[in-house]
Amino acid sequence: QVQLVQSGAEVKKPGASVKVSCKASGYTFSNYLIHWVRQAPGQGLEWMGIINPSGGSTSYAQKFQSRVTMTSDTSTNTVYMELTSLRSEDTAVYYCARGAPGSSIYRWFDPWGQGTLVTVSS
Amino acid sequence: EVVMTQSPGTLSLSPGERATLSCRASQSISSNLLAWYQQKPGQAPRLLIYGAANRATGIPDRFSGSGSGTDFTLTISRLEPEDFAVYFCQHYGGSRSVTFGQGTRLEIK
Repeated sequence: QVQLVQSGAEVKKPGASVKVSCKASGYTFSNYLIHWVRQAPGQGLEWMGIINPSGGSTSYAQKFQSRVTMTSDTSTNTVYMELTSLRSEDTAVYYCARGAPGSSIYRWFDPWGQGTLVTVSS
Repeated sequence: EVVMTQSPGTLSLSPGERATLSCRASQSISSNLLAWYQQKPGQAPRLLIYGAANRATGIPDRFSGSGSGTDFTLTISRLEPEDFAVYFCQHYGGSRSVTFGQGTRLEIK
């Protein structure tokens, strides 16, 4: 079945960087875009950006433009999200999610990875 | 950027009742780009509805979506115990702009 499996929880100090992985299986990896979304404790969903695993082109939300880098490795069907200059407000669960196929007139995120908790604390 | 506003913030109902959740966009949007998700505690969001009115695979028919322009609705016809969760609407505005509503918490009365 289609599945996205993310790396485990991380604890980082302010100013550090974190890199979260998202491994895809059950479908043709290069045919679907992958989105990253985060959720601070008790809060809503915040979109961070998108990567096309085929070719690696990216587009980031303006808020994260200067601090986020998304990459892909087609040999392992894995995408990565790296966030730098971490601060306490970056404490959140980070999700990857597969986008709808480009041929569709619709847009949705399905499925989602299980989430990766990143805690930023001194 | 399109702002999505959901109401109410919390909805208290009993199993068997009908739930009506609202999502309003700050400007008119294409129905094709409106989706609804369900999130239970400790879990990732799950796609319920796409294109404003199309149920995702495996979603029970008690869930339905409707609306156009700026006003969209998610309806759960008869609440089951497993339906009590948080619901988010989403607008896909392109590769630089995806926005979510703040969520509606559906709780057992």
